[in-house]
Amino acid sequence: DQQVKQNSPSLSVQEGRISILNCDYTNSMFDYFLWYKKYPAEGPTFLISISSIKDKNEDGRFTVFLNKSAKHLSLHIVPSQPGDSAVYFCASTGNQFYFGTGTSLTVIP
Amino acid sequence: NAGVTQTPKFQVLKTGQSMTLQCAQDMNHNSMYWYRQDPGMGLRLIYYSASEGTTDKGEVPNGYNVSRLNKREFSLRLESAAPSQTSVYFCASRRTGSETQYFGPGTRLLVL
Repeated sequence: DQQVKQNSPSLSVQEGRISILNCDYTNSMFDYFLWYKKYPAEGPTFLISISSIKDKNEDGRFTVFLNKSAKHLSLHIVPSQPGDSAVYFCASTGNQFYFGTGTSLTVIP
Repeated sequence: NAGVTQTPKFQVLKTGQSMTLQCAQDMNHNSMYWYRQDPGMGLRLIYYSASEGTTDKGEVPNGYNVSRLNKREFSLRLESAAPSQTSVYFCASRRTGSETQYFGPGTRLLVL
């Protein structure tokens, strides 16, 4: 059973617009959430994270929102740039790390 | 600093052959992890090592063994490869007190 779900396999956005990537989780005991970015033929790299005691964390163009009651988090990228085109994984930590299936973002110039 | 390195980058095996995937990190991290990535499945944890001398099973450990050789190195062994083990394998490490994992570039394995 998938503990972390990303229901949108792909997303296309125009350059300059907002990209919103979504993630749902099932275990209310998860206390930390992370987003990773992955380019082809490379390993994932850490992007941004949020603790369960917060509902928002911002780093430059990237903002992560956490809605604990809905067990939902989202990553907002504003403005989107062509270099943001990659696969984005959300992950959560309990006693282990659980990753979602990824969303492939394409930013169209 | 090289970060996390993995060898080989690519390998083709026949069913039943064995091989060891190597991983090393130079960040003095205590925890190390092995994941596999399959289409539509995301990253799934195979085994992890919270510290030198300890290893634990993850979500999909069957068919694999691991060795935490020292603090730097964590190897993954396939004793008898099966086509279902065709995947991209990632090694990662993490500093105690941080939730951030640092990943290697991956090993692409094809089992025929």
